[in-house]
Amino acid sequence: SQKIEQNSEALNIQEGKTATLTCNYTNYSPAYLQWYRQDPGRGPVFLLLIRENEKEKRKERLKVTFDTTLKQSLFHITASQPADSATYLCALLNRDDKIIFGKGTRLHILP
Amino acid sequence: DSGVTQTPKHLITATGQRVTLRCSPRSGDLSVYWYQQSLDQGLQFLIQYYNGEERAKGNILERFSAQQFPDLHSELNLSSLELGDSALYFCASSVEPVRGIYNEQFFGPGTRLTVL
Repeated sequence: SQKIEQNSEALNIQEGKTATLTCNYTNYSPAYLQWYRQDPGRGPVFLLLIRENEKEKRKERLKVTFDTTLKQSLFHITASQPADSATYLCALLNRDDKIIFGKGTRLHILP
Repeated sequence: DSGVTQTPKHLITATGQRVTLRCSPRSGDLSVYWYQQSLDQGLQFLIQYYNGEERAKGNILERFSAQQFPDLHSELNLSSLELGDSALYFCASSVEPVRGIYNEQFFGPGTRLTVL
């Protein structure tokens, strides 16, 4: 069956350290993979997009990797800050134009 | 502020009723997407419209329908409502997509639907 999985448990990281979130998928052939941030009661906010032929993408303190062999994307926040605390969603765009979101990982940056 | 507007912000109704949710995309965006978010299911893609035409369909129930109007605003109609339809409904928009080229989506603030 098709699945997209993110750590369901919350991730607690000390301020200043690097937070790494994982997104794994099964039986999809995504053309793109994206990461979004969502704060409670608000809509997701786009962070980064990576294409299937790209290994890594960076934007300021954010880095995304995409391994189509492992069927996995890693999302890194370096020099993490309490303001980075939120739920992070990964989403893939499948070749049939359907968009599938993971359930998200809650990240807590501890001061 | 993403530039995407949704109304109403909250909606409380009873089982069996019908409601309409409205979305106005960002200026210049031709694509509109609808999502349902519940605690147990996460964010579920329902349907996408591009310039008035249906482009992709996700897990949208037959009791639900959507359309995009010539002015590009979109409406999501939910009928024969059930308790399980209680959720946050998000609309998102993106610039004109070329098939095979993806653009980031901008999400609205959502409509919280409660079915009693």
